[in-house]
Amino acid sequence: GAVVSQHPSWVICKSGTSVKIECRSLDFQATTMFWYRQFPKQSLMLMATSNEGSKATYEQGVEKDKFLINHASLTLSTLTVTSAHPEDSSFYICSAINRIGGELFFGEGSRLTVL
Amino acid sequence: QKEVEQNSGPLSVPEGAIASLNCTYSDRGSQSFFWYRQYSGKSPELIMFIYSNGDKEDGRFTAQLNKASQYVSLLIRDSQPSDSATYLCAVTGGAQKLVFGQGTRLTINP
Repeated sequence: GAVVSQHPSWVICKSGTSVKIECRSLDFQATTMFWYRQFPKQSLMLMATSNEGSKATYEQGVEKDKFLINHASLTLSTLTVTSAHPEDSSFYICSAINRIGGELFFGEGSRLTVL
Repeated sequence: QKEVEQNSGPLSVPEGAIASLNCTYSDRGSQSFFWYRQYSGKSPELIMFIYSNGDKEDGRFTAQLNKASQYVSLLIRDSQPSDSATYLCAVTGGAQKLVFGQGTRLTINP
């Protein structure tokens, strides 16, 4: 089946540093990818919609200058958490839509801990 | 009002019994409805999707949709301990932009 890979799967960083998370569709092309954030014991909250070759669309309340999204190719979207703080610690999950067929697949998630 | 609401649980069901999970949604224009299972620390995995009113069965799982009542449910028959997880209801009006409920934590007791 189609696979969406996220890297890194977990990362620990110091407060004030920036962290980049990659989301790759391994065996299909994805014109659209979504980035979610999930805090412990809470549901997935959509952060932004990433479209290949264009600017991401951010959900209300999500700071676009803090969470930089780049969808440079049909198989890769990146989320950069800039100047990370402990409150940014969360489980970040991406999903990708297969350009052919429209099926949606989730990545394995990336757990960020900011010290 | 939340867009997608679920009983957060926890819901405890004895092994072999039927587990019933419920979800309501506020947007009448919603077109597609999904149930995901999420184990602790893992990404959601799709269990079932349903588009039309009525029941849809897949193995031990049955999804039920009632658009007039804006209600979707998931039944798990012959519950197994491995079914213990958080179940997320998700709704979309199009473009695969999913809105998730808060999830129901299900525990199957051996």
